[in-house]
Amino acid sequence: GQNIDQPTEMTATEGAIVQINCTYQTSGFNGLFWYQQHAGEAPTFLSYNVLDGLEEKGRFSSFLSRSKGYSYLLLKELQMKDSASYLCAAMDSNYQLIWGAGTKLIIKP
Amino acid sequence: GAVVSQHPSWVICKSGTSVKIECRSLDFQATTMFWYRQFPKQSLMLMATSNEGSKATYEQGVEKDKFLINHASLTLSTLTVTSAHPEDSSFYICSALSGRDYNEQFFGPGTRLTVL
Repeated sequence: GQNIDQPTEMTATEGAIVQINCTYQTSGFNGLFWYQQHAGEAPTFLSYNVLDGLEEKGRFSSFLSRSKGYSYLLLKELQMKDSASYLCAAMDSNYQLIWGAGTKLIIKP
Repeated sequence: GAVVSQHPSWVICKSGTSVKIECRSLDFQATTMFWYRQFPKQSLMLMATSNEGSKATYEQGVEKDKFLINHASLTLSTLTVTSAHPEDSSFYICSALSGRDYNEQFFGPGTRLTVL
């Protein structure tokens, strides 16, 4: 079956670094997406990885290992506005996104 | 990036009525659109895949006669919740598939439906 696993909740301190892990199993693979979702809003795109390695985009970076079925989202210099849910989603061979349940990130001052 | 709009952004209706939600891709053509439902504190749940000019593909457990989907053009898909009941109250989000770069899905802002 298809499955995405990510931690339910994480807590970090403002200004620090946090890594949110995601493991996936899908029928075929067309890339791994990370989305940020604030309460009551639709998800917003953060990153896309289809090749192994690290993609850096400002304070956010995303890593993919296809052989391990593993990805992580790295957030640096955390700000209070980064408090949100972070959704990991893998695109299968039918171009459908298989969603994780999301990781609620709590930022403390 | 590409923009997807949804209308209405929120709606309150009485039990037994039907509600139509529109999803539009504003600056690109989307042959494929997806409809999701999200309950509080839960992840997105794919309801159906909507392909322009053909019947939608519904996920297991989603009643196609209750959730009518029409994708009549390359920029518009509609979801009609027929005979809505309180348990249909949820956050409905559409997304449009863009194949321009890497098959990214662009999300609409969502529609919050409350059925009294």
